[in-house]
Amino acid sequence: EAGVVQSPRYKIIEKKQPVAFWCNPISGHNTLYWYLQNLGQGPELLIRYENEEAVDDSQLPKDRFSAERLKGVDSTLKIQPAELGDSAVYLCASSPAGSYEQYFGPGTRLTVT
Amino acid sequence: EDQVTQSPEALRLQEGESSSLNCSYTVSGLRGLFWYRQDPGKGPEFLFTLYSAGEEKEKERLKATLTKKESFLHITAPKPEDSATYLCAIETGRRALTFGSGTRLQVQP
Repeated sequence: EAGVVQSPRYKIIEKKQPVAFWCNPISGHNTLYWYLQNLGQGPELLIRYENEEAVDDSQLPKDRFSAERLKGVDSTLKIQPAELGDSAVYLCASSPAGSYEQYFGPGTRLTVT
Repeated sequence: EDQVTQSPEALRLQEGESSSLNCSYTVSGLRGLFWYRQDPGKGPEFLFTLYSAGEEKEKERLKATLTKKESFLHITAPKPEDSATYLCAIETGRRALTFGSGTRLQVQP
């Protein structure tokens, strides 16, 4: 079974530029999560999707961050404009219906210069 | 406020030297406690889920236990390939995980 796929794996951009991350969850998993992980810290939830509906986006900085999950499968997380403090690893995870167990992708390491 | 605290922050062991990692938590209603392993440059890898006090789960050299206030990850006779960051997380009904900062384990040959 293929795991969670994320791209790109690494991204370097200048501040004020836009950036987008893509995630394809494990087949059949209807719940998709985006987390942010700073160096030396555990992941922190940004947004959770149940199918195509964003059911928990309370921690998403909506002034510059946006996300979508069209057709309830893959998802895109966007930052516009990026700030220096956005440098981090952005992780995508998915879980099957009725389960609390989450399976993570490899992450996208963003560096904003 | 739900909170997870892991200790120690870092641990260095000799190969074969058994030890335990601690995860203490405060939560109003625990739905599950999770252990993950994270290697450098990779996403967290799921290890265990514990749901109720007294529960134990094992996988190779790892054994996770749960009480009402904390969980332990026991590592028996570790090998260098067990070197990683071990993350503890709780699920409190939001269908999202609250993570601790992790314990960085280094096992020297």
